[in-house]
Amino acid sequence: QLQLQESGSGLLMSSQTLSLTCSVSGGSITSGGYSWSWIRQPPGKGLEWIGFIYQSGNTYYNPSLKSRVTISLDRSKNQFSLKLSSVTAADTAVYYCARGDGSSWLIDYWGQGTLVTVSS
Amino acid sequence: QSALTQPASVSGSPGQSITISCTGTSSDVGGYNYVSWYQQHPGKAPKVMIYEVSNRPSGVSNRFSGSKSGNTASLTISGLQAEDEAYYYCTSYTTSSTLNWVFGGGTKLTVL
Repeated sequence: QLQLQESGSGLLMSSQTLSLTCSVSGGSITSGGYSWSWIRQPPGKGLEWIGFIYQSGNTYYNPSLKSRVTISLDRSKNQFSLKLSSVTAADTAVYYCARGDGSSWLIDYWGQGTLVTVSS
Repeated sequence: QSALTQPASVSGSPGQSITISCTGTSSDVGGYNYVSWYQQHPGKAPKVMIYEVSNRPSGVSNRFSGSKSGNTASLTISGLQAEDEAYYYCTSYTTSSTLNWVFGGGTKLTVL
C-alpha cells in the first residue's frame, strides 16, 4: 500500500520560502506512468493544484504560481519536494502531496496534509 | 486557470438520490473522458470516488456513479446515507492550461 507523508515548516513569516517534503513508502517515485503532485487548500476553501513532476523530472506548474514554485525529486530518498518563495498570508493552507495516475488522470493516493500558516 | 463549475451545495434525505454537476468546456470535460470525482470529509484528505467519467475504484460503493453529457459531468449518489455528507470535487484533464489539470470549486453535500 502506497503511503505519502508531508513534512516541513508549518509557520512562516511573509516573504520567506515555504519548503515541504513528501516521503513516499510502499512504492517508488521512479515508477513510470505516475506524476507526483502538490495540491493545497486554504482554510474553508477549495482545492488548488500547485504543480506536479514526472519521474523524468519534467515539471508542470499552475500558471498563477509558476514564478514562485519549484518541485523537485530526490530519487535516492524516494521523496519529492515543494518550494514556494515570497509567501504571503494568501499562501496559508493545508498542503497535500499526492500521486497521479498518468493514464487515467486521477489522483489515487494522497498524503494526510500539513497546515502551513504564513504570519505577517 | 479557470475552475470547473459546481453548485456550492446540494442536499437530500437518507435513501434519496442526488446529482452533482461539473460544467467545463470542450477543452476539458467535453473534450476528454478524464473526469474524476473526489469526496472530502472535514479534516481529511480527498478520496477518489469516480475516475474516467464513470469508473469506480475498487472499494467504492456502487451507490456512486458518474456520467457525462457535452461539457457537463455528473456524480450521482443513490440511497443517500449520513456518511455521504461531505464535500465533493470534480477534476478534469484540460488543454486550456499548461498544468493540464483543473479542479471544480467543490460542492457541499448535506444529508438532511
